Amino acid sequence: DTAVSQTPKYLVTQMGNDKSIKCEQNLGHDTMYWYKQDSKKFLKIMFSYNNKELIINETVPNRFSPKSPDKAHLNLHINSLELGDSAVYFCASSPSTGYAFFGQGTRLTVV
Amino acid sequence: AQTVTQSQPEMSVQEAETVTLSCTYDTSESDYYLFWYKQPPSRQMILVIRQEAYKQQNATENRFSVNFQKAAKSFSLKISDSQLGDAAMYFCALIMTSGSRLTFGEGTQLTVNP
Repeated sequence: DTAVSQTPKYLVTQMGNDKSIKCEQNLGHDTMYWYKQDSKKFLKIMFSYNNKELIINETVPNRFSPKSPDKAHLNLHINSLELGDSAVYFCASSPSTGYAFFGQGTRLTVV
Repeated sequence: AQTVTQSQPEMSVQEAETVTLSCTYDTSESDYYLFWYKQPPSRQMILVIRQEAYKQQNATENRFSVNFQKAAKSFSLKISDSQLGDAAMYFCALIMTSGSRLTFGEGTQLTVNP
């Protein structure tokens, strides 16, 4: 039973397309995140949700839109994909305090 | 604002030896958690060890231990009896007990030589 599951694991798409990455956690955690890991491995927070409410919205292009239909899901939709969006995107969840459990990551390649 | 700094982009160690990875952080709050995560080539983020700021005792997990110096805002990771499977990118991370932002350092790439 995977604690934090994100799909797909790999995504190759053309510039200008719209794509979604799905994330689900079965841990009952209140908080979920999206992180972006760039080519230099730096992990930067994009969004944080607590009980379906947006808590953190970093300086991210508005082409990126998170959606949390319920506490267990946090999906990421990306419009009009650009070459610079190529990265690994991680979903994570955590209890009200404590460490984050990460999904396996989605490697997005925009060509 | 909170920041985490790892000043060693790369480290190497001989198998069975001990290595210490450095991490410093900055926050104006007194209640927080610190973590070390490991990211092997599989890219999965794996929690190695965690430390609550209110605890004076340094956390240990088998071959992994930390040296937590709250006044100096330092949180180093010591890996004893290094194994080939320890080779990975290691990230130091910080979260406030009241917050929702887990902040990571830049990472240290650890190589273990046989």
